[in-house]
Amino acid sequence: KNQVEQSPQSLIILEGKNCTLQCNYTVSPFSNLRWYKQDTGRGPVSLTIMTFSENTKSNGRYTATLDADTKQSSLHITASQLSDSASYICVVSAKNTDKLIFGTGTRLQVFP
Amino acid sequence: GAGVSQSPSNKVTEKGKDVELRCDPISGHTALYWYRQRLGQGLEFLIYFQGNSAPDKSGLPSDRFSAERTGESVSTLTIQRTQQEDSAVYLCASSPYGTGGASQPQHFGDGTRLSIL
Repeated sequence: KNQVEQSPQSLIILEGKNCTLQCNYTVSPFSNLRWYKQDTGRGPVSLTIMTFSENTKSNGRYTATLDADTKQSSLHITASQLSDSASYICVVSAKNTDKLIFGTGTRLQVFP
Repeated sequence: GAGVSQSPSNKVTEKGKDVELRCDPISGHTALYWYRQRLGQGLEFLIYFQGNSAPDKSGLPSDRFSAERTGESVSTLTIQRTQQEDSAVYLCASSPYGTGGASQPQHFGDGTRLSIL
């Protein structure tokens, strides 16, 4: 069964600190993996998209990594800001399908 | 505007009533998706449109749910005889082409928060 699991479920950090969110998936055949940020009451916004051949991609203070062999991805946030408080969702796409498989997200709270 | 627009932003209705949710995708985007997000849960795929046709309806939870798209633009998700379990945020997304393995982001609207009393 195609699944995407994320950890931790929630995370609290202080402003200025770094953090890393994890994503494990069992989707096959794998096509690409996306990280989205979802602010409360808003729709998800794309941060990164990585294909099989990419093992790292950055978007400002966000850096995603992908290990297609172990089927794991991480999202590293550097020098966190209060505006980083949101849910971060890992999404995996299988080849030859238009259906995306969503993780349940990691709820990040950044405190001053 | 330039983004995906959904209306209404909030809808409260009584159990048993029908509701219609609207999505205006980004102009020129041929692919359109509907998702459901229950409180504290991940997004659940409902239906996908390529142009005006729906090649994948596999996520619709029951025959009370239906969707249509006209003019390769606006889409409407209809829920008939609503039940309390239908309470959720319904999100719409669009992309230039179908994701079909391609590395395109889906652009999401802010959703319609549906509450069934």
